[in-house]
Amino acid sequence: EPEVTQTPSHQVTQMGQEVILRCVPISNHLYFYWYRQILGQKVEFLVSFYNNEISEKSEIFDDQFSVERPDGSNFTLKIRSTKLEDSAMYFCASIRVTDTQYFGPGTRLTVL
Amino acid sequence: AQSVSQHNHHVILSEAASLELGCNYSYGGTVNLFWYVQYPGQHLQLLLKYFSGDPLVKGIKGFEAEFIKSKFSFNLRKPSVQWSDTAEYFCAVTLYSSASKIIFGSGTRLSIRP
Repeated sequence: EPEVTQTPSHQVTQMGQEVILRCVPISNHLYFYWYRQILGQKVEFLVSFYNNEISEKSEIFDDQFSVERPDGSNFTLKIRSTKLEDSAMYFCASIRVTDTQYFGPGTRLTVL
Repeated sequence: AQSVSQHNHHVILSEAASLELGCNYSYGGTVNLFWYVQYPGQHLQLLLKYFSGDPLVKGIKGFEAEFIKSKFSFNLRKPSVQWSDTAEYFCAVTLYSSASKIIFGSGTRLSIRP
């Protein structure tokens, strides 16, 4: 069964550094998402992406965040200057059109 | 703002006990409803979903959920739990379409005593 994959599984960075989290959605899917889960809190929506542009973003997704689909397979989340409060589990998800969103295993981001 | 409430933060049961996890949402329009499970160290997996039709939906591993529109509820049930059901369970909704953003509840941690 096809899966969403994410790399790396764990990223440790210093405050102020840029990080790029990578995702490979399921190949025939058309909508892509990033969610995050701060330890002990609920999973929160960050951004959705369709047809090479952002279709919706949350108030968390400020100017420090950006997303890109640089080629036909990868979907990336960049945090320009990380803060301590960016420490969280970041999940990528994708969906073809209708049906359900499939989630990747997540990247644990630790900002020191 | 739309929200999803899960009433139980942590539930502890013995094997073979029956399970019911509560979920309520606040939105008056059309919703799609989901239960996701996250086993320790693993990613979110879909247990079951409701889009339309029969309000009693069956999912994997013997789970089922009932959509009660008048109560804005979508409770998860299992008649007899197993130790392997130990996990975090998330109720979730999308509005208008399943391609919309998912709004998650805060999750319920289920611990099963062997």
